[in-house]
Amino acid sequence: AQKVTQAQTEISVVEKEDVTLDCVYETRDTTYYLFWYKQPPSGELVFLIRRNSFDEQNEISGRYSWNFQKSTSSFNFTITASQVVDSAVYFCAPKLDQGAQKLVFGQGTRLTINP
Amino acid sequence: EAQVTQNPRYLITVTGKKLTVTCSQNMNHEYMSWYRQDPGLGLRQIYYSMNVEVTDKGDVPEGYKVSRKEKRNFPLILESPSPNQTSLYFCASSQQGRQPQHFGDGTRLSIL
Repeated sequence: AQKVTQAQTEISVVEKEDVTLDCVYETRDTTYYLFWYKQPPSGELVFLIRRNSFDEQNEISGRYSWNFQKSTSSFNFTITASQVVDSAVYFCAPKLDQGAQKLVFGQGTRLTINP
Repeated sequence: EAQVTQNPRYLITVTGKKLTVTCSQNMNHEYMSWYRQDPGLGLRQIYYSMNVEVTDKGDVPEGYKVSRKEKRNFPLILESPSPNQTSLYFCASSQQGRQPQHFGDGTRLSIL
């Protein structure tokens, strides 16, 4: 069965600290797509990043960076110099099965950035 | 503006009273989906649709119906709502399954 684990239920840091959110998944497919979404206190779901399983080049975009390791089935997300506005629940939500048309959501990590 | 619109945003109703949550997207997306979000469980897929008149069950379809008569609309129907369907519901759409999904703002349902 496909499974996504976000082991960190809650993280609390002080503003300007760096923070990494972990995501580990299980799949038997070799081609899949990885997504991170953010859910701020207002409740909407905001798309952050998409990676393909065949592209292991990691990326930095502003204060965000992603570390995809296919060998360990991990897709971690880092916020550098965190800000209060980054406070939200973050979901790792890969599409793990080419035949299935769904995202498999982790339980989410609630990130609180304190001033 | 590209968007997915859900209505209503909030609804409190009683057990057994049929209700429909509408979902409409203006991006000409082929793929649409419904999820429910419950504390500690993340989001789970209820139903999805690959195109007009093509729908299929997700992980938690019991108690729900959907239809896709037009490309832009994908309503979620609760024929006889029960308290265990109290949840936050999201509609999503994408051009293809592997593309990022655009989510609506959510519908909070309370079934008493």
